[in-house]
Amino acid sequence: DGGITQSPKYLFRKEGQNVTLSCEQNLNHDAMYWYRQDPGQGLRLIYYSQIVNDFQKGDIAEGYSVSREKKESFPLTVTSAQKNPTAFYLCASTGWEGNQPQHFGDGTRLSIL
Amino acid sequence: SQQGEEDPQALSIQEGENATMNCSYKTSINNLQWYRQNSGRGLVHLILIRSNEREKHSGRLRVTLDTSKKSSSLLITASRAADTASYFCVYNFNKFYFGSGTKLNVKP
Repeated sequence: DGGITQSPKYLFRKEGQNVTLSCEQNLNHDAMYWYRQDPGQGLRLIYYSQIVNDFQKGDIAEGYSVSREKKESFPLTVTSAQKNPTAFYLCASTGWEGNQPQHFGDGTRLSIL
Repeated sequence: SQQGEEDPQALSIQEGENATMNCSYKTSINNLQWYRQNSGRGLVHLILIRSNEREKHSGRLRVTLDTSKKSSSLLITASRAADTASYFCVYNFNKFYFGSGTKLNVKP
């Protein structure tokens, strides 16, 4: 079955620590996205990538970093510079042909210890 | 902000009733999509309507689009308890813009 896999499902971060969230897709999609969702809110775009080795900042990129070394993988690092990282993080992908829906992973819930 | 707005923010109905959710957006669009999110899960795509379409159906779902008013509505007919979830409109113009969501509770 094709889909998007996010891991881990739950993650705890200590003060001053960087943590990396994994996102892997086997849908052969070109574009991948990271979103942050706070309780009772919609999704806000952190970073997106339309092609390997290229990515763009979204609306709330400060304190986050990404890489896109392989088409299938788009990991997100939450750095110590992100002072309020507690949130639900969602990864998505889409084909780059017009009018395509986004496919989402099941999310990673990040909390501060 | 170019985020969409959804109305109502929360909706509680009895099983068997219809549920209507509305979405307004702020830019031109290529398409508008509706997604469902169950608590603690990712979003699941429900239906996509292109900017040159006015109405689309999928099972118990009916979506309308009025580009002159920059608005869309999602109608779920004969609702079931399993329809309890948050529903988001997402409009697409170069990138994806998310509404704030409508939380639907269907009481058995």
